[in-house]
Amino acid sequence: DAGITQSPRYKITETGRQVTLMCHQTWSHSYMFWYRQDLGHGLRLIYYSAAADITDKGEVPDGYVVSRSKTENFPLTLESATRSQTSVYFCASSEGVGTGYGYTFGSGTRLTVV
Amino acid sequence: DAKTTQPPSMDCAEGRAANLPCNHSTISGNEYVYWYRQIHSQGPQYIIHGLKNNETNEMASLIITEDRKSSTLILPHATLRDTAVYYCIVRASTGANSKLTFGKGITLSVRP
Repeated sequence: DAGITQSPRYKITETGRQVTLMCHQTWSHSYMFWYRQDLGHGLRLIYYSAAADITDKGEVPDGYVVSRSKTENFPLTLESATRSQTSVYFCASSEGVGTGYGYTFGSGTRLTVV
Repeated sequence: DAKTTQPPSMDCAEGRAANLPCNHSTISGNEYVYWYRQIHSQGPQYIIHGLKNNETNEMASLIITEDRKSSTLILPHATLRDTAVYYCIVRASTGANSKLTFGKGITLSVRP
């Protein structure tokens, strides 16, 4: 199906473990983004990517690693999960970042770190 | 830094127009006003955007004041499914400020 999909939908992991959240889009959009959403903070940008092999930090990148070897995939890795990374994570994609380019968001991954 | 100010919440009756205000007094000439909404547990959804002219699409209308310091999103006939958090976002056309930056939004509750 066309669109943007995130997996898993729900994840529980232990403190200190590595966990990877997946994001896949079928439009060949150049730009992809990772946001996290916490109560009281709204959505905050973690990392974004302008194209394959080009990534850059957003507002809250610490503790996260991203890669983009293929245009359609943009995985987010928590190298050593902490309780403060318990959150809902949203992936988005866009043809560009200028005006006229809307972002399309995935359904989110709810991550709990215990 | 939030470039927009929205009331935290409002409600309206089903079938009536919902008028959601947003202040953006420091908006620059190359910055657009965007509206997104987020229905509970879902990803944000694009609604509409504009620069200085009023805009309308199948979902909503956007009214921007002449001085561009504020705007209003209008849902002409609100339904229960329009209950959501609505984000007003100021976004530059290019550069670092062209990425979407979300504030806390306004929670719209549509009552039967």
